[in-house]
Amino acid sequence: AQSVTQLDSQVPVFEEAPVELRCNYSSSVSVYLFWYVQYPNQGLQLLLKYLSGSTLVKGINGFEAEFNKSQTSFHLRKPSVHISDTAEYFCAVSDREGGGNKLTFGTGTQLKVEL
Amino acid sequence: KAGVTQTPRYLIKTRGQQVTLSCSPISGHRSVSWYQQTPGQGLQFLFEYFSETQRNKGNFPGRFSGRQFSNSRSEMNVSTLELGDSALYLCASSLFLGSPAINEQFFGPGTRLTVL
Repeated sequence: AQSVTQLDSQVPVFEEAPVELRCNYSSSVSVYLFWYVQYPNQGLQLLLKYLSGSTLVKGINGFEAEFNKSQTSFHLRKPSVHISDTAEYFCAVSDREGGGNKLTFGTGTQLKVEL
Repeated sequence: KAGVTQTPRYLIKTRGQQVTLSCSPISGHRSVSWYQQTPGQGLQFLFEYFSETQRNKGNFPGRFSGRQFSNSRSEMNVSTLELGDSALYLCASSLFLGSPAINEQFFGPGTRLTVL
């Protein structure tokens, strides 16, 4: 079984400041890793994904994440946030072996960007 | 291309009733997954359908069921509604070209179900 822990439920940050949203996972098998963003009253949008290869993954809207196998982490970063980045962010894992599209999500981190 | 559409967007039911939610995937997508999102439990996988067959199922009671039609549209049904079924139900579709995780899942806006 897999699980995902997002350590921070809320992260306030000032506009143009850097931000890091933390994600740790637990799995007995190899996984794929994802970050999704959810704006109010909308569905989820994929920011980036780690499948294999380079541990630094770049996504949309200037976000990037680094896969660290030894620490079982996949933290999301952005060097300079904008007010429009205010949203809820979800880290998710998918079992490499299990097949299908089943995603296991973390509890989410609410990013609030302030002026 | 039109995105994933879900109908209805909002629904109010009373305990004991049943409900059917609909999801139309992006044209050409053959895999449809359903998720339940609640403040307490977060996002939880319900089930996935591909080519009219259920491929994966989450840990939900048998009151939750689904199906997929030949045009890839999917419905999920919840019978004997309970207060705890109040949630945002999200549908996601993907192409599914063989390796599951390289196929991006595109999410619809969800159906917000309120059970009174």
